Amino acid sequence: DAKTTQPPSMDCAEGRAANLPCNHSTISGNEYVYWYRQIHSQGPQYIIHGLKNNETNEMASLIITEDRKSSTLILPHATLRDTAVYYCIVRVAGKAAGNKLTFGGGTRVLVKP
Amino acid sequence: DGGITQSPKYLFRKEGQNVTLSCEQNLNHDAMYWYRQDPGQGLRLIYYSQIVNDFQKGDIAEGYSVSREKKESFPLTVTSAQKNPTAFYLCASSSGQGNTGELFFGEGSRLTVL
Repeated sequence: DAKTTQPPSMDCAEGRAANLPCNHSTISGNEYVYWYRQIHSQGPQYIIHGLKNNETNEMASLIITEDRKSSTLILPHATLRDTAVYYCIVRVAGKAAGNKLTFGGGTRVLVKP
Repeated sequence: DGGITQSPKYLFRKEGQNVTLSCEQNLNHDAMYWYRQDPGQGLRLIYYSQIVNDFQKGDIAEGYSVSREKKESFPLTVTSAQKNPTAFYLCASSSGQGNTGELFFGEGSRLTVL
C-alpha cells in the first residue's frame, strides 16, 4: 500500500472549516484514500473514503486532486469534539487485500474556542 | 447494539506472564484485526484474520499469538517473548463483502507490564 504524508499537527478555530492535507504521491490506480480519526484513548473512527471523485457525508468532505497524488479532508464547521488525531490511509481495494489498513502518525488537530 | 467489545479495558501484569486480551464482535463480520499503539504513535498491525480458523501475521507479530475458532471471537495472547508489551491494544473488524474497507474498532485494552 502507498505511503502517506501528513503534517504532524494543526490548530483550527471552533466554527471554522478545518482543511487537513494528505500527500500520497505513489498511489496506484486501484488504491482508495481513507480517513479515520482517533479521539484520545479511544478506538479510531471511520470518517470517509474515496477513489477519485470528491465525496461528502454527514461528517466531512473529501477532495482528491485530479492526479490523485494528494487529498484534503474538510471538516466544514469544526467543534471542540473534533479535536483528535486524523489518519489518512491508502489501500488496495478488494477482498484479497484483507482490508488491512496501515496507520501512520496522522495529524493531531486541536480545535480552539 | 452491534459492535466490538474488548476486555479488560485496563490490565496490569508482572513481567514474564502471558496475558490474553479478549475481542468479541456481533457485527457478523468475517475479518478481524489486532493493532498495537504506543504513546504518540500510529497503529501497527499485529495479526489479522479474514475467516474462521485462518489468520496471518501483520507487521509486528513476534511475541504475540492469536486464534480464530469462532467468527465472533479473536483473542490475542501477549506472551513473555514480547520484549515491550506495555501498550494500547485495539481490535477491529470488517465485513468481507464489498470493498468499503471500513474498519470498526473496539475501545481498546491498555496493558501495563510491571
